[in-house]
Amino acid sequence: AQSVSQHNHHVILSEAASLELGCNYSYGGTVNLFWYVQYPGQHLQLLLKYFSGDPLVKGIKGFEAEFIKSKFSFNLRKPSVQWSDTAEYFCAVNANQAGTALIFGKGTTLSVSS
Amino acid sequence: GAVVSQHPSWVICKSGTSVKIECRSLDFQATTMFWYRQFPKQSLMLMATSNEGSKATYEQGVEKDKFLINHASLTLSTLTVTSAHPEDSSFYICSARVQGLAGTEAFFGQGTRLTVV
Repeated sequence: AQSVSQHNHHVILSEAASLELGCNYSYGGTVNLFWYVQYPGQHLQLLLKYFSGDPLVKGIKGFEAEFIKSKFSFNLRKPSVQWSDTAEYFCAVNANQAGTALIFGKGTTLSVSS
Repeated sequence: GAVVSQHPSWVICKSGTSVKIECRSLDFQATTMFWYRQFPKQSLMLMATSNEGSKATYEQGVEKDKFLINHASLTLSTLTVTSAHPEDSSFYICSARVQGLAGTEAFFGQGTRLTVV
């Protein structure tokens, strides 16, 4: 079975600081990897996804993530955060086969002070 | 991208009554849909996998008699919370995967906020 670990429960940053949120997964086969964001009171939005190819994936709003297969990691990064990035961030993984569900990490709360 | 529509977006019901939530794939066919539950400030927990034309597969700890899932067509799955109690109050989200050339991507409904009073 797949599982996802997000090590940072709550991250507090000042505007313009750099961000890195950790995500590790456990699964032996080929996986698809995702980062979602949930702004306060809103629904999930896809930030970026990795299926195959270049392990450095660029998403919306200046976010990027790097897939390191040897470390089973898919960390999310942003060079300079903004107050509007305050939200809950979820890493998710599913096996690259039909009929399998997306499994989510517990989430990381990002608070950015202006 | 593909669209998944969920209805209702919010519902308040009395304790002991049943509530049905619908999840539709609007522009694609979904042989498999997934139901999640999200408590406040927590992650999405997979409840069950809904399979068109067959029984749903429930995750450990999810009562199948309480959370009835029906996937009668390739575009509709329903979740019925039977004899709802206040502890069932939560945010329920459905999802369907679309197989593309590069991989599969999940699309989510807008969610249903259930409040049991």
